[in-house]
Amino acid sequence: DADVTQTPRNRITKTGKRIMLECSQTKGHDRMYWYRQDPGLGLRLIYYSFDVKDINKGEISDGYSVSRQAQAKFSLSLESAIPNQTALYFCATSDPRGGSSYEQYFGPGTRLTVT
Amino acid sequence: GEDVEQSLFLSVREGDSSVINCTYTDSSSTYLYWYKQEPGAGLQLLTYIFSNMDMKQDQRLTVLLNKKDKHLSLRIADTQTGDSAIYFCAESTSGTYKYIFGTGTRLKVLA
Repeated sequence: DADVTQTPRNRITKTGKRIMLECSQTKGHDRMYWYRQDPGLGLRLIYYSFDVKDINKGEISDGYSVSRQAQAKFSLSLESAIPNQTALYFCATSDPRGGSSYEQYFGPGTRLTVT
Repeated sequence: GEDVEQSLFLSVREGDSSVINCTYTDSSSTYLYWYKQEPGAGLQLLTYIFSNMDMKQDQRLTVLLNKKDKHLSLRIADTQTGDSAIYFCAESTSGTYKYIFGTGTRLKVLA
């Protein structure tokens, strides 16, 4: 089974709708991240969380909110979706205690289209 | 602010070597990474290098780091069609949350 899972994998929604993307992990990591990927722009950080009580904005948090329901779950919400939020969204985890490389582990991504 | 830059595309013939280049701006970077993204999948770590190293070799992969010029490269020997993917350079600094990713280089391997 995958260590980091995301649901849904694909979603098409209309402008103005509220949508939630969910992420679950079985790695036992404290740190979780949400990124969006756009062609030619790489990955940009939306929000990150170091534990259940710690939520921080990344470089492009406007229009998004998050919830860390448990160590293993980190969800991303678009309160009122707009077309320029059409992108590929990735959840990732990391655990600086678990090794020296600070590697991030990524989910398979959610492709979101806002029409 | 910190920035990581890569060229967007690279095309090579099967069996040749591929060299993907990356430049970064943060002189306090501790770790530099190469991630691979295959179609429909998330990013997966290929290899990483500590900033106090010049080179790291792992089977067909060779990472070279020029810290003075802030230049990182990934060489893939005997490139295969299965190596076709997007390759991301990234850097992080010990003690911070930040990972800075490059734009990704799309490698196309021609049979």
